[in-house]
Formats: sequence, C-alpha cells, structure tokens
Amino acid sequence: AQTVTQSQPEMSVQEAETVTLSCTYDTSESDYYLFWYKQPPSRQMILVIRQEAYKQQNATENRFSVNFQKAAKSFSLKISDSQLGDAAMYFCAYRSAWENGNQFYFGTGTSLTVIP
Amino acid sequence: GAVVSQHPSRVICKSGTSVKIECRSLDFQATTMFWYRQFPKKSLMLMATSNEGSKATYEQGVEKDKFLINHASLTLSTLTVTSAHPEDSSFYICSAGKAVNTNEQFFGPGTRLTVL
Repeated sequence: AQTVTQSQPEMSVQEAETVTLSCTYDTSESDYYLFWYKQPPSRQMILVIRQEAYKQQNATENRFSVNFQKAAKSFSLKISDSQLGDAAMYFCAYRSAWENGNQFYFGTGTSLTVIP
Repeated sequence: GAVVSQHPSRVICKSGTSVKIECRSLDFQATTMFWYRQFPKKSLMLMATSNEGSKATYEQGVEKDKFLINHASLTLSTLTVTSAHPEDSSFYICSAGKAVNTNEQFFGPGTRLTVL
C-alpha cells in the first residue's frame, strides 16, 4: 500500500506571511494524483489543491501552490499571504490513477495556526 | 456543485444499541462511496469502500459484522454500527466520487457518534 508522510504535526505562521507544509509519499506507480485537503474546526474536508503526476507544472490556486518533485516523491503546499481563515488541519492525500485504484491514502495531518 | 450530506450530524446512544448513519450525494450519482473514521486530531482511517449494488469492501481490521454498509442506490450509502460500545465513539466521515475513476472525492460533514 502507498504511504503518505507529513513530518510536521504542527506549524504556525504570522498573518500575511508565507508557510510551507511538507508531504512525502511512497509509491511504485508512475501515474497518480496528489491532493491537499483542509479540515477546519467544523471538520468538513475541503479540497485545497490537486496535482496530476503526469503534469510537470506545479498546480496553483490563488494563494495556494504546490512544489511537486516527482523523483523525490515530495509534494509540499505553500500558502502565501496567510489569513486567519487558513487555520486548520491540512491533510496530504494520494490516489492511484488506475481504474480500480480510487482509494485515497491520507497523511497524518499538519495543524496550522495563524498568528494575528 | 457536488454536495454530500450526512445524517445525523451528532448521535448519542446507549451501549448495545445500533446506530445508522446516512450518506447522500445530493446533486450527483456516486458509484462509489467511502467511509472513514477519524479520532481526535488524527488522520482519516478508511474503513470500507461502498459500491452501489454490491457488497462493501472492508479494510483489514474492520469488523464487517459490526460496521454494516449498504449502498442501495447511486445517491445513498448507510453505515450501521451494530451493538455499539464506548470504543466505537468517534467521528465518521463519508465521501463520494462522481464516477468510478474520478480523481476527486467530495466529503460529507461527518457524524459524531458518542456511545455511553
């Protein structure tokens, strides 16, 4: 089974500053998808950004961007101009691109605190 | 949009009783739904994959006789915790994909189960 590792249980950032959350994964597959999900105190999982492994260009969604290093199996999330509403648990997730491989594998999460 | 609902949002029950949790895809058909369990400040643990019209596939270590899953239609999956005990207290989250090979899951808001 694939494994997803988030080595930072907790992170903090000053409001308006930039923070990077790290994620590494282990897989023997060549085609897959990677995701970052946000879970605020409401516990509702919200998709932040996704990356297709076959795309070399890093995904970007407004203030959120990723640094996808396929060879290193690394998928970090950068949050620019951090806002108080960004405070949440962030989960990195992996999904195989194979037809029957639609199971998601989640990392252990990083709790992000935004300091006013 | 793609909205997934769960009902109830919270439930408290006595030990030994059974509890049913519903997961509905409100504006799309979901061939596959997933059930997760999440402990406080922990990651999502996949319990089972629910396929419409067929038996659910349970992850290793999950008791299929205790956690009954039924996916009777393309918009509804149910998780029944039978003979609940305090150790079953947890946050249960479902998710659904729009098609078998979707690269995104849409999450329900979760159900907090407390067994007294």
